[in-house]
Amino acid sequence: DQQVKQNSPSLSVQEGRISILNCDYTNSMFDYFLWYKKYPAEGPTFLISISSIKDKNEDGRFTVFLNKSAKHLSLHIVPSQPGDSAVYFCAANYGGSQGNLIFGKGTKLSVKP
Amino acid sequence: DTGVSQNPRHKITKRGQNVTFRCDPISEHNRLYWYRQTLGQGPEFLTYFQNEAQLEKSRLLSDRFSAERPKGSFSTLEIQRTEQGDSAMYLCASSDRGRVIATNEKLFFGSGTQLSVL
Repeated sequence: DQQVKQNSPSLSVQEGRISILNCDYTNSMFDYFLWYKKYPAEGPTFLISISSIKDKNEDGRFTVFLNKSAKHLSLHIVPSQPGDSAVYFCAANYGGSQGNLIFGKGTKLSVKP
Repeated sequence: DTGVSQNPRHKITKRGQNVTFRCDPISEHNRLYWYRQTLGQGPEFLTYFQNEAQLEKSRLLSDRFSAERPKGSFSTLEIQRTEQGDSAMYLCASSDRGRVIATNEKLFFGSGTQLSVL
């Protein structure tokens, strides 16, 4: 049973527009959420995170929104750039998991010039 | 600081053979993790070490798998009697979290070892 779900396998966006990547989770014990970006032949790279006590966190062009009642989070990239083209993984954990991250299946983002 | 290093990058083996992968974490990172990623899936946790102590193992880690981190620095992951289902990308990650259980832990991943079992 998947605890972290990314229901869109792929997303295509025009350069300069907003990219919105979505993630749903089922485990109400999760209290920390992260987004990782992965280029081909490389390991995942940390992008941005959010604690469950917040509903928004921004870092430059990247903003993560958390809706705990809906068990939903989203990553907004504004403006999107061709270099953002990668697979984006949503991940979650809770204090008892001691850093064991639960990942979604990923969404492949393509930003077209 | 060169990041997390994994060797080899690729490994092709025949079913039934043993394989060993090595991971060198970021220096002075006391936590080291092993994950496995198959095509179309996200990384799945296998095991992790706090210094040299192996503190948690996933049920995915069958008894054919063994991981060590003898001196709290590099780690090895061995798979005995490989099966075709073991074909995957094996990812290592490290972090500098201490013993306090904390939720805001950030993992730094290596580029992985791609295993193909024929």
